[in-house]
Amino acid sequence: DVKVTQSSRYLVKRTGEKVFLECVQDMDHENMFWYRQDPGLGLRLIYFSYDVKMKEKGDIPEGYSVSREKKERFSLILESASTNQTSMYLCASSLPGTLGRGTYNEQFFGPGTRLTVL
Amino acid sequence: AQRVTQPEKLLSVFKGAPVELKCNYSYSGSPELFWYVQYSRQRLQLLLRHISRESIKGFTADLNKGETSFHLKKPFAQEEDSAMYYCALSGRRGAQKLVFGQGTRLTINP
Repeated sequence: DVKVTQSSRYLVKRTGEKVFLECVQDMDHENMFWYRQDPGLGLRLIYFSYDVKMKEKGDIPEGYSVSREKKERFSLILESASTNQTSMYLCASSLPGTLGRGTYNEQFFGPGTRLTVL
Repeated sequence: AQRVTQPEKLLSVFKGAPVELKCNYSYSGSPELFWYVQYSRQRLQLLLRHISRESIKGFTADLNKGETSFHLKKPFAQEEDSAMYYCALSGRRGAQKLVFGQGTRLTINP
C-alpha cells in the first residue's frame, strides 16, 4: 500500500519566514510532485522531480524552491513566505512512465499541509 | 497550451438521479484524460482514466475528441458519491505531469 506522508497537517508562519514542507514516500517511486490546491483554481503544479537531485519547474514555481537529496524525500521551500502563499499544499509520487508508449502511472497523494502565512 | 476546464464549481443532485460532471480540455495532440476524486477527510485519488475504458463505482467517462470533452457520468447517484472531483490531462503520451481543472464539488442530497 503506497504511503505518502507530509510533515505537518497544519502550519502557521509569519511573512518573511523561511518555510520547509517535507514529503516522504515509501514505495520507491522515482517521480515526486508538489502542488498547491486553492478553491476555484484546482491543483497547480509547483515543481516536480523525476530522480534524485533532478527537478523541473511546474506552472507556478515563483517564490518556491525544492530539494531532492534522497529518493524517498522531496522538500518544498518557501524562501520568504508571503500571505499569497497561504494555501493547501499536496505532495504526490508516482512510478516513471515510458514516453511514447502511453504508460501513465497513477499519482499517489499525501494528506496535505494547510499553510497559513500571517 | 494545455488547459482543463470544469465549468461547474458546485453541483447538487438528489440520490438516485443521474449525474454528469463536465470537463473540457484544450490540447493540440492526443491527450490522456483522468478523473481524480477527493472524499471528505481523505486523500486525492485516481478514479478512472479514459484509456482503461472501465467503470469505477458506477462512473464512466468517454473521451470525445470532436468536442474536446471528457464528462464523468453516473446513472444513479448515491450519497457516498459526494466529493470533490478533478478532471486532469496529460499532454504527452507517457508523460507524468498532469494539468488539473478547477474542480467540481458534488453533493448528493438524500
